Amino acid sequence: AQSVAQPEDQVNVAEGNPLTVKCTYSVSGNPYLFWYVQYPNRGLQFLLKYITGDNLVKGSYGFEAEFNKSQTSFHLKKPSALVSDSALYFCAVRDNYGQNFVFGPGTRLSVLP
Amino acid sequence: GAVVSQHPSRVICKSGTSVKIECRSLDFQATTMFWYRQFPKQSLMLMATSNEGSKATYEQGVEKDKFLINHASLTLSTLTVTSAHPEDSSFYICSADRVDYGYTFGSGTRLTVV
Repeated sequence: AQSVAQPEDQVNVAEGNPLTVKCTYSVSGNPYLFWYVQYPNRGLQFLLKYITGDNLVKGSYGFEAEFNKSQTSFHLKKPSALVSDSALYFCAVRDNYGQNFVFGPGTRLSVLP
Repeated sequence: GAVVSQHPSRVICKSGTSVKIECRSLDFQATTMFWYRQFPKQSLMLMATSNEGSKATYEQGVEKDKFLINHASLTLSTLTVTSAHPEDSSFYICSADRVDYGYTFGSGTRLTVV
């Protein structure tokens, strides 16, 4: 069965500094990996995905993520954080058969001015 | 592409009444839609999988008679919270399945039962 871990409940970073939100996964076969962001009282917004191809994936709002097969990780990164990036971030995985979409528990990112 | 519209965004209802939440896929057909419930500061909890033209599949512990799901067309799924009680107050989110996009989510519905 698939699983997703986001080891940090909360990440705090100063505005202008780089940020990383960690995600590791377990899946049979090749993974489809996703990052979503949720602002207060809103649904989830798609940020980026890895299906195949380059391990470094660029997404919305300047975010990127690197797929590392050997470490089974898909960490979300941004070179320079903005206060407006403060939100709840979810990593998700599904296997390459398109079934069993699983979310991580979420990481709350706070960017401090 | 892959836009999902959810309505209403907020609803307040009295205990004992029923509330219907709509989830529409605007630019694609969705044979499968999903309904989630999210408690404060928690991740999404899958409630049920809605299948067009057939009965929904409910997750363990979710009362199918309380949370009625209808997926009558390829672009519309509805969740009806029947005989609502204050403990049903929550944030409900729908999503539709696009394999290449992952799940596309609605904007959520904040239900408050008073």
